[in-house]
Amino acid sequence: GAGVSQSPSNKVTEKGKDVELRCDPISGHTALYWYRQSLGQGLEFLIYFQGNSAPDKSGLPSDRFSAERTGGSVSTLTIQRTQQEDSAVYLCASSLEPQENEQFFGPGTRLTVL
Amino acid sequence: DQQVKQNSPSLSVQEGRISILNCDYTNSMFDYFLWYKKYPAEGPTFLISISSIKDKNEDGRFTVFLNKSAKHLSLHIVPSQPGDSAVYFCAASARNQGGKLIFGQGTELSVKP
Repeated sequence: GAGVSQSPSNKVTEKGKDVELRCDPISGHTALYWYRQSLGQGLEFLIYFQGNSAPDKSGLPSDRFSAERTGGSVSTLTIQRTQQEDSAVYLCASSLEPQENEQFFGPGTRLTVL
Repeated sequence: DQQVKQNSPSLSVQEGRISILNCDYTNSMFDYFLWYKKYPAEGPTFLISISSIKDKNEDGRFTVFLNKSAKHLSLHIVPSQPGDSAVYFCAASARNQGGKLIFGQGTELSVKP
């Protein structure tokens, strides 16, 4: 299919380790978003990309979180020195343009920090 | 500061009856509202949306109502079907914020046969 894909689907790591989460958006979509869903909570915005630049990083919870996007396509969300409170499902979405309100979501990466 | 709120964590409805899911927001800059449906272990899927210039949008069994003065929107599903059982998220966006969505906490709908 041509939907948004994310890898890995599950990641278990030890506190203090770094993790990288990957998102492949729908081909041709210029806007890419990262959200996370903690247990029992709604989706929380983290960062969005227009092309390779990130005009809005306001949702990143700390400087341990960073993200990049290369070639206007694949994006990687990196969490350094993971903490237990980072445990959540990390969701990626893409849309044709930033103002295109319908975003298409990937299946998410479930991160568990022990 | 929860800008989008869904105060009912769960809702149970009989098959064939109407399901009404509610959502409140606080930010008057929001100009577009969406409902997403989510099954376990899957990403949310877009269901229906409404612009702030309208008060109603209908798509088959799904209708979204917007009351701007009350900063309230609702999703009506009629008739409800067992396959509608899922978590429903309300989301809002503001045109000048690049399309990022602000989500409510979700309401888990259970439609019983």
